[in-house]
Amino acid sequence: DAGVTQSPTHLIKTRGQHVTLRCSPISGHKSVSWYQQVLGQGPQFIFQYYEKEERGRGNFPDRFSARQFPNYSSELNVNALLLGDSALYLCASSPRSYQETQYFGPGTRLLVL
Amino acid sequence: DAKTTQPPSMDCAEGRAANLPCNHSTISGNEYVYWYRQIHSQGPQYIIHGLKNNETNEMASLIITEDRKSSTLILPHATLRDTAVYYCIVRVAESGGYQKVTFGIGTKLQVIP
Repeated sequence: DAGVTQSPTHLIKTRGQHVTLRCSPISGHKSVSWYQQVLGQGPQFIFQYYEKEERGRGNFPDRFSARQFPNYSSELNVNALLLGDSALYLCASSPRSYQETQYFGPGTRLLVL
Repeated sequence: DAKTTQPPSMDCAEGRAANLPCNHSTISGNEYVYWYRQIHSQGPQYIIHGLKNNETNEMASLIITEDRKSSTLILPHATLRDTAVYYCIVRVAESGGYQKVTFGIGTKLQVIP
């Protein structure tokens, strides 16, 4: 079975631009979570979506938004990029919204110049 | 959320057992202990999880103390490919099915030839 896939793998943007990152969960998984991992730190929770609804949000500004589509894939959008947004963005999927093991994708490496 | 405490780094000789400790002294009764590892900025890989009882799978064993305030991940025969950052996390499942996951900085395990 295919695991979680993310696109693109790498991305370079400049300050003030907008970025969209994409995630396809494992087949049959209905929950997608997004994480930001800056160099030297553990992943930090951004959002969780389940059945197309936001079910949780971490401590991130409103510049960060996400959505989940009927096929359970998801997009993470970041507006007005800052240098500090440079990070590895990870997507994880799980079958349902709670008490389920999350499986992570390879991540998208974003560099903001 | 319960916080976890892990040593920042450990070494282990190849072929020997690697024992990675984790303290989670404020864990609640319904929180699971999960272990993930991350190899060179790839996406975190699920290893094992448990609630109260010790668990074993093809990758590792998880030993949870009776009071659940600490746990140990055991890699029985460490190989060079086990060199990674290992994260111990506890999982909260809130009433709305919100699955919040908090990662610390983990333990950098270096397997030495």
